[in-house]
Amino acid sequence: EAGVTQFPSHSVIEKGQTVTLRCDPISGHDNLYWYRRVMGKEIKFLLHFVKESKQDESGMPNNRFLAERTGGTYSTLKVQPAELEDSGVYFCASSEQGYEQYFGPGTRLTVT
Amino acid sequence: GDSVTQMEGPVTLSEEAFLTINCTYTATGYPSLFWYVQYPGEGLQLLLKATKADDKGSNKGFEATYRKETTSFHLEKGSVQVSDSAVYFCALRLAYNTDKLIFGTGTRLQVFP
Repeated sequence: EAGVTQFPSHSVIEKGQTVTLRCDPISGHDNLYWYRRVMGKEIKFLLHFVKESKQDESGMPNNRFLAERTGGTYSTLKVQPAELEDSGVYFCASSEQGYEQYFGPGTRLTVT
Repeated sequence: GDSVTQMEGPVTLSEEAFLTINCTYTATGYPSLFWYVQYPGEGLQLLLKATKADDKGSNKGFEATYRKETTSFHLEKGSVQVSDSAVYFCALRLAYNTDKLIFGTGTRLQVFP
């Protein structure tokens, strides 16, 4: 069974540009989470989908970040326009209800 | 607010040495506690967990005991191997109405032969 996959693995963009990160969860997992780790600090929660609905988006830093999960399958996280402080590693995780979260390898975003 | 504090790294050890990585937490109620590990180039993997006070989680020779009196969940291994070199994250999940994980900053472990 395939694990959580994320694309791209690494993205380098200039300040002011737009970037879209993609996450494909494990098949059948209704719960999908986004987290990020900035500059070696703690991994911080961004938001949680249950199927296509946003269950908790309390961690989204500002309105430059837009997450979608159309059809309740894969999810995208768009950053527009990107700022220097958005650099970091973005992790996606998925789970069945009440069970362990399985993490993807992360997307390293570098904003120059 | 709810948070996790873990010791800064890197922790550098020789093979077969004893490992302790300290983790303490602040949380309301009775959270579940976790250790995740990230090997180079891979995603986070759940290493072990404990869901209530005095529970001991264990896996692959690693152990951690949920100590409510000291709000701690220290990770230990009696004899580390080079293959244990990775970044270790302590995390909690609150007991009420949320699935989100709250992580510490991570501790890099480097084991040399």
